[in-house]
Order: sequence, then structure tokens, then C-alpha cells
Amino acid sequence: GENVEQHPSTLSVQEGDSAVIKCTYSDSASNYFPWYKQELGKGPQLIIDIRSNVGEKKDQRIAVTLNKTAKHFSLHITETQPEDSAVYFCAASNTGNQFYFGTGTSLTVIP
Amino acid sequence: DSGVTQTPKHLITATGQRVTLRCSPRSGDLSVYWYQQSLDQGLQFLIQYYNGEERAKGNILERFSAQQFPDLHSELNLSSLELGDSALYFCASSTRRGQGAELFFGEGSRLTVL
Repeated sequence: GENVEQHPSTLSVQEGDSAVIKCTYSDSASNYFPWYKQELGKGPQLIIDIRSNVGEKKDQRIAVTLNKTAKHFSLHITETQPEDSAVYFCAASNTGNQFYFGTGTSLTVIP
Repeated sequence: DSGVTQTPKHLITATGQRVTLRCSPRSGDLSVYWYQQSLDQGLQFLIQYYNGEERAKGNILERFSAQQFPDLHSELNLSSLELGDSALYFCASSTRRGQGAELFFGEGSRLTVL
């Protein structure tokens, strides 16, 4: 089955700086890569996603890049704000709509 | 509010017992997924249902079982509970059959086994 690795497990940045979270996957059949944000006491919520036919996608301060050859994808958050503090999960999904998640990154934005 | 409802929110029980977690998906969503979230293992995929039928199984123990009913709600049954089963259990639903369906998560059921 699919194996998704995520790094780093914790990340602290100063407000206004950028944050980068990286994930790798093992199954070349995976073709959809969403990123979820989990705030304390809540369920994960989709913030951005990318499909295998696209190399990069941006939505305001967040962007995701995908390198299919190397089987890795990354989340970039620019101009970080305190409300960006949360746990972020990457995931890989295949045509069967099975989702495999990374172990999460706890991001802290220091005011 | 994602529209996915999970009950109970918190549950404390003893080893060897059996519990049932319930999930009501978003209106119109046919797929239901169950995930286990432990401190050191992130979100572990347990099982997926689509319109009442099991679609995929992940790392679900034989002591665990699930089903999706005709009204599309789902239940996850955990039996012969062990200390290590203590975790947050999430249900998620989606509506699209094709690839890239967004998952909508409930707020989870926190199970504590003493």
C-alpha cells in the first residue's frame, strides 16, 4: 500500500516568515495530493490540493508543488500569521479514492 | 461546521469492553471513511464505505468492524478494547466518485481505554 512520509514533525517560525512542509509518497498510482489543516479540537479541513497533471498550485498565501518523478510534494505558506498555527497533514490518494495521510506537522507561528 | 456529525465526542471505558462510534455524513455524501488518530501515528486509514458497501480496508484490526446503513450513516464497532486503542477516531465523508474527492471530517470521537 501507499506510504506517505512528512517532515518536519514540528516547525516554529516568526510571524511574517515562510514555512515549508515536505512529503514523499511511494505509490506511483497516487494522483491526488490534498493538504489538510487541523486546529485544536477540530477535524482536519482541506486547505489546498493538487493533481498529478499539475506541477504547482497557489491560493493566496499558500502554494503546493508536486514532483512526480521524485514522488514528493510540498506545502509553502508565505507571510505566516498566528492563525496559521495548527497541525498540517499531507495526503496521497489514488483512483479508488483511498487517502493515506502523513504523520502531521505542528506549525507554530510566533508573534 | 463540516456537516459530518460524530457521536459520542468523548468516551471512557475499560479494557475488554466494546463500544460503538456513530457517524452521520454530510447530506448527499455516499462515501464514509474511518480514521484513527494516535499521538505518534497521525491519521491511520481504517475502512471506507460507498453507498452501503465496503470499498477499501486499511489497517483495521479484526477486533474492529464497521458498517454503513441504508440511510448512509455509519458505525464503527470496537471490541475487546485494549489500552492501545485509546485514540481519536475520525469519520469523513465525500460525495464524488471520481478521483480527487474532498474529504469532510467530523470533529472526532475521543476514546479513552482505562
